[in-house]
This record gives sequence, C-alpha cells and structure tokens, in this order.
Amino acid sequence: DTGVSQDPRHKITKRGQNVTFRCDPISEHNRLYWYRQTLGQGPEFLTYFQNEAQLEKSRLLSDRFSAERPKGSFSTLEIQRTEQGDSAMYLCASVGGGETQYFGPGTRLLVL
Amino acid sequence: SQQGEEDPQALSIQEGENATMNCSYKTSINNLQWYRQNSGRGLVHLILIRSNEREKHSGRLRVTLDTSKKSSSLLITASRAADTASYFCATAQDSNYQLIWGAGTKLIIKP
Repeated sequence: DTGVSQDPRHKITKRGQNVTFRCDPISEHNRLYWYRQTLGQGPEFLTYFQNEAQLEKSRLLSDRFSAERPKGSFSTLEIQRTEQGDSAMYLCASVGGGETQYFGPGTRLLVL
Repeated sequence: SQQGEEDPQALSIQEGENATMNCSYKTSINNLQWYRQNSGRGLVHLILIRSNEREKHSGRLRVTLDTSKKSSSLLITASRAADTASYFCATAQDSNYQLIWGAGTKLIIKP
C-alpha cells in the first residue's frame, strides 16, 4: 500500500454514460498525475496537477475528459459520453518533494 | 506515444537465476525509473537513476544507464517466485517529471 487510494476500484458502465473517478494522494504531496493503461501496454500520461493548478494535458485527453483538483488535495477524473475505447485502467500517482511517483491501485473501467 | 521499449517482451527463468531486462528510449532525459506491476495491480517504484549516473544498486537490483546509447538495463539477481511481475522503464524528460513509459517486460520466475 503506497498511501494513494483510488475509488472505485472497478467500474462497469454502458456506452454513452458518464463516469467519475476519485484519487486521494499521499497527504501534502503537491503533484498529482493521471495515467491510462490498456492491457499489455505501459501507462500513458493524461494530465497532471501541481497543487490545484492543472499544468499539462496530453493530446490523448479529448474534450470528453476533464480532471479537477479543487483544493489541491484529492482529484477527480470525469469521462463524459463513454466509448468502448475508454475501457482501460486509470492510474493516479502523487509526488512529494522528490521524483518518485507513488501509484494508487487504479480504477478498472469497462465500457459495454 | 511511448518513449521506451523494453526487451525482451517476456522472460521466463528458474528461481535463483538472474534476470536482465533492457530499455531503450528516444529523447534526452532527466532521469529513468524502473517500476514493477503485479498482475492487474498498481505500479511500485523500484529504482531511479539520473542522467549523470551510470550505475545504481538497491538490494538485489542493479540498474545501468548509457545515455550515449539511450538505453538502460535492470538486473535482478537470485530471482524469487515473488519477482514474477511486469517491469516497466519510464523516463522523465524535464522538471515536470511527467513519465513516459515503455510497454514492459513480463517476467515469470519458475519454482
């Protein structure tokens, strides 16, 4: 257990529905990252926050994706109008003063 | 897009043997990190090597970095069944430490 938690751990939804995932980083970690990982592949960067500011977004992050970190603590990732291609593991990581990223267990999304 | 490529894609060895995995990347980096992922679970940080370092050790792990060849290797000595996992290299190009990942090496340790 790295101290980063994600909720829910699993989500099954129908195409077209909206889903929201939550990440609680290690307390006082100011950087928070979201990644997406599909089967047999490494994670792909989606976006990251320093405190409450979203500093970078990947081109992978279409307009259907939005992320927030309103108080610089927990973060949410919302996917609107889900598509089957959104099925993946969504990983959150937090960073404190160093460079090591501490990952949560991930949220596995299945879009039917 | 993925920066790194791990080699081999899969590796199966007997318990007690050494396992070597390689990673190649495309652009200049600030540091390179190795992570382990057990089946369907989150990633665990193993070791970080900076661009000005050539070799680093941590317990049974040894990492080398050759920036001229844009490659790194991870050696696990005296492998154990618990080392069975996927191993990923990830590179950080600049100070925002966004990590760019390879596709991983799946390591199986046979008892």
